[in-house]
Amino acid sequence: GENVEQHPSTLSVQEGDSAVIKCTYSDSASNYFPWYKQELGKRPQLIIDIRSNVGEKKDQRIAVTLNKTAKHFSLHITETQPEDSAVYFCAALDSIYNQGGKLIFGQGTELSVKP
Amino acid sequence: GAGVSQTPSNKVTEKGKYVELRCDPISGHTALYWYRQSLGQGPEFLIYFQGTGAADDSGLPNDRFFAVRPEGSVSTLKIQRTERGDSAVYLCASAPGPSSTEAFFGQGTRLTVV
Repeated sequence: GENVEQHPSTLSVQEGDSAVIKCTYSDSASNYFPWYKQELGKRPQLIIDIRSNVGEKKDQRIAVTLNKTAKHFSLHITETQPEDSAVYFCAALDSIYNQGGKLIFGQGTELSVKP
Repeated sequence: GAGVSQTPSNKVTEKGKYVELRCDPISGHTALYWYRQSLGQGPEFLIYFQGTGAADDSGLPNDRFFAVRPEGSVSTLKIQRTERGDSAVYLCASAPGPSSTEAFFGQGTRLTVV
């Protein structure tokens, strides 16, 4: 089955700096990679996702890149703001014959943006 | 409803007791997932339903855990003979269908076994 590794576990940046979180996955058949943001005591919320047929996707200050050959994908947040502080999780879809399947999550990165 | 609803939000139970956790998915969503999240960890997959049937229950840790979705909507996660190690936040998520990938999460049920 799929295994997802995420680094770093904690990340502290100054407001306005960029933050990068990296994940690797093991199953080359995985074809969908979402990123979730989870604030303390709240539900995980999808912030951006990427499918295996593209290498990069951007949404305002957030971008995700995917390297299928190396089996890794990264989240990039530019111009960080204090409200970006949260735990971020990457995930990979362990698909069952393209009929849906389970998301396998990384261990999470606690991002702290200092004003 | 507007989103995935889970009840109760908090549950404290004694070791050895039986508990049921309920998930009400977004109306019309056929895919439903249960995850368990321990402190400082990512959500851990438990079981996935497509309609009424469990398409993948490979994440259930042992036979004390069971989940049902009899009418293809509300799901109940059942834990027998609870142990202190079962303490965690249990998250439910739903998605529109089998080919849909975006999962919407509920707020979770925080289970504490004392």
